[in-house]
Amino acid sequence: DQQVKQNSPSLSVQEGRISILNCDYTNSMFDYFLWYKKYPAEGPTFLISISSIKDKNEDGRFTVFLNKSAKHLSLHIVPSQPGDSAVYFCAARHDRGSTLGRLYFGRGTQLTVWP
Amino acid sequence: KAGVTQTPRYLIKTRGQQVTLSCSPISGHRSVSWYQQTPGQGLQFLFEYFSETQRNKGNFPGRFSGRQFSNSRSEMNVSTLELGDSALYLCASSLRATSSTDTQYFGPGTRLTVL
Repeated sequence: DQQVKQNSPSLSVQEGRISILNCDYTNSMFDYFLWYKKYPAEGPTFLISISSIKDKNEDGRFTVFLNKSAKHLSLHIVPSQPGDSAVYFCAARHDRGSTLGRLYFGRGTQLTVWP
Repeated sequence: KAGVTQTPRYLIKTRGQQVTLSCSPISGHRSVSWYQQTPGQGLQFLFEYFSETQRNKGNFPGRFSGRQFSNSRSEMNVSTLELGDSALYLCASSLRATSSTDTQYFGPGTRLTVL
């Protein structure tokens, strides 16, 4: 049961443009969302997060938007740089019941930024 | 502050053997979670430990087990290895304070290959 979905397996963007990565979720109990970036053969690196009480969070070139009514979040990278090329994972969690603290991950989106 | 460390980084075993992987969390972090990443299933939650107690377990067979020591270091063990256990095993640590906005930070992973 995939509770977090990233429907685009890949995204290709020109350097300097905006990258928009999307994520949908089905569990309305999720109250904290995170984005991770991953290079091959390495562990995921935390990028940015957002609590369900907010609808936007910014950190430098990265902005995450949350639309709770649509159960949708997106990560915007502006401007995109070649070093941003990696797999981006969306993750969600809630702190209730037997799944306390567990992260649910999407399948990831491969971002390629070309010069 | 040093990040999450995992040893060994690479491991090759044969079917039927058992394996033990080690994880040292970020200093001060008391929670350790384990995830399995495979191309077919993505990132799957194995279990979480906090203060030497397993608080949360994913949907994996009993061949997968773990433990946490008083210094928060954790080990996971896989017995009677199967070919399908070949994967990247990731460890993540977090503070596990009372706030639900607790970020998990990942180690580089252990690449296990079962022949």
